[in-house]
Amino acid sequence: DAGITQSPRYKITETGRQVTLMCHQTWSHSYMFWYRQDLGHGLRLIYYSAAADITDKGEVPDGYVVSRSKTENFPLTLESATRSQTSVYFCATTGTGGVWNEQFFGPGTRLTVL
Amino acid sequence: DQQVKQNSPSLSVQEGRISILNCDYTNSMFDYFLWYKKYPAEGPTFLISISSIKDKNEDGRFTVFLNKSAKHLSLHIVPSQPGDSAVYFCAASAAGNKLTFGGGTRVLVKP
Repeated sequence: DAGITQSPRYKITETGRQVTLMCHQTWSHSYMFWYRQDLGHGLRLIYYSAAADITDKGEVPDGYVVSRSKTENFPLTLESATRSQTSVYFCATTGTGGVWNEQFFGPGTRLTVL
Repeated sequence: DQQVKQNSPSLSVQEGRISILNCDYTNSMFDYFLWYKKYPAEGPTFLISISSIKDKNEDGRFTVFLNKSAKHLSLHIVPSQPGDSAVYFCAASAAGNKLTFGGGTRVLVKP
C-alpha cells in the first residue's frame, strides 16, 4: 500500500507533444494538488482539486490541464509541452482538517522537454 | 514577487551543533506556517508547523519560532545529525488558502 504514487518517474519529451503525468492515492483524501519544483522558486501550485469533478487553478496554471473523474486519480496534462515546462512535478494530497496544512507528497516526476 | 523567501540557499553545520534555518514572508495575512523536509529523488515530507497565535512550537529536536512583527520564522535543529542533510522548505497559508513555499535551504550536516 503505497499511499500516493506518481507515474512515470522520469519522462523525456519534445516540444509540442502532449504529456500526461499520473497521480494515484489510496487514502481517499478529498484534496489533491499538483506542484512544480524549480531551482530558486521552491514549489509552486499548478492546480488543485477539492473532490472528484472539482478543480481550480493555482499560481502557475498556464499550459496545463487537469481532470478528476475519480477521487483517487488526478492526472496532469501538458497539452503542448514547452521547454519552460521542464521541471520536477509533485502531486500531493491532504486529508487533515486543515485543507491547506499538512500535505502528503508523491515521489515526483522529472520531466524534460527537449 | 516571492511572498515567502529563504535567503540562505545552503547551510553547512557540524554534527551535534545547532542548525538554524530562516524564512521571511511579506503577506501579513499568512496565519499558518509549515516546514517540509526533502531528500533527493523523494517528495517533501511534513516536519513541523506553527499557528500565528503561537510564537514557538517544539517537536523533539525541531523547534520553530515565529516573529510576527518581523514577519520572520526560523527552524532550529538541535542537535544536528547526518540524517538531517536535506533541503528544507518553509511554507505559509492564509485563512485556509493555498500553501506558498519558499525557495528552499539545502542543509549539509558533516560527521
